[in-house]
Amino acid sequence: DQQVKQNSPSLSVQEGRISILNCDYTNSMFDYFLWYKKYPAEGPTFLISISSIKDKNEDGRFTVFLNKSAKHLSLHIVPSQPGDSAVYFCAAIQGAQKLVFGQGTRLTINP
Amino acid sequence: SQTIHQWPATLVQPVGSPLSLECTVEGTSNPNLYWYRQAAGRGLQLLFYSVGIGQISSEVPQNLSASRPQDRQFILSSKKLLLSDSGFYLCAWSVSLGQYGYTFGSGTRLTVV
Repeated sequence: DQQVKQNSPSLSVQEGRISILNCDYTNSMFDYFLWYKKYPAEGPTFLISISSIKDKNEDGRFTVFLNKSAKHLSLHIVPSQPGDSAVYFCAAIQGAQKLVFGQGTRLTINP
Repeated sequence: SQTIHQWPATLVQPVGSPLSLECTVEGTSNPNLYWYRQAAGRGLQLLFYSVGIGQISSEVPQNLSASRPQDRQFILSSKKLLLSDSGFYLCAWSVSLGQYGYTFGSGTRLTVV
């Protein structure tokens, strides 16, 4: 049962443009949603999060939007930079003890 | 400050051999500890988590086991590795799972041959 889904395995964006990564979830009881960034052969690193009571959170070039009625969240990166090329994981907090992750989206920023 | 150590970074093991991966956390007490696996082309799958010494919750029945002999030490083991155990294994910790989620270790690339 995949409670958090990232339906796009990959995304290619030109440098300087906006990157939009999407995530859908099924459990309306999640408290927080998070985005992690992962480079090859490294552990994921926390990027940004949003509480379930908010609809937007912004941190520099990164903005996360939450649409609770659609059970959908998205990560916007503006402007996209070559160093943003990585795998991005969407995650949700379940039961205050563990995270449930999506399958990941590989973002490639082209010069 | 808190740090997490995970080793080894890479490991090549023959089918049927045992496995022991170790993870330790510094700078915090009574952390929640987690083992995840990322199989090739797949997402992050939670294998085990622990909220205290000797307390292990298993998420997926499989050829692996976990132990927490000390407060800040988490070990992933197998008695006999299978080819399907290949993957990238990640240890993580948290104290209070909130808006910052987990902190992950650097991972171990396990190849079973």
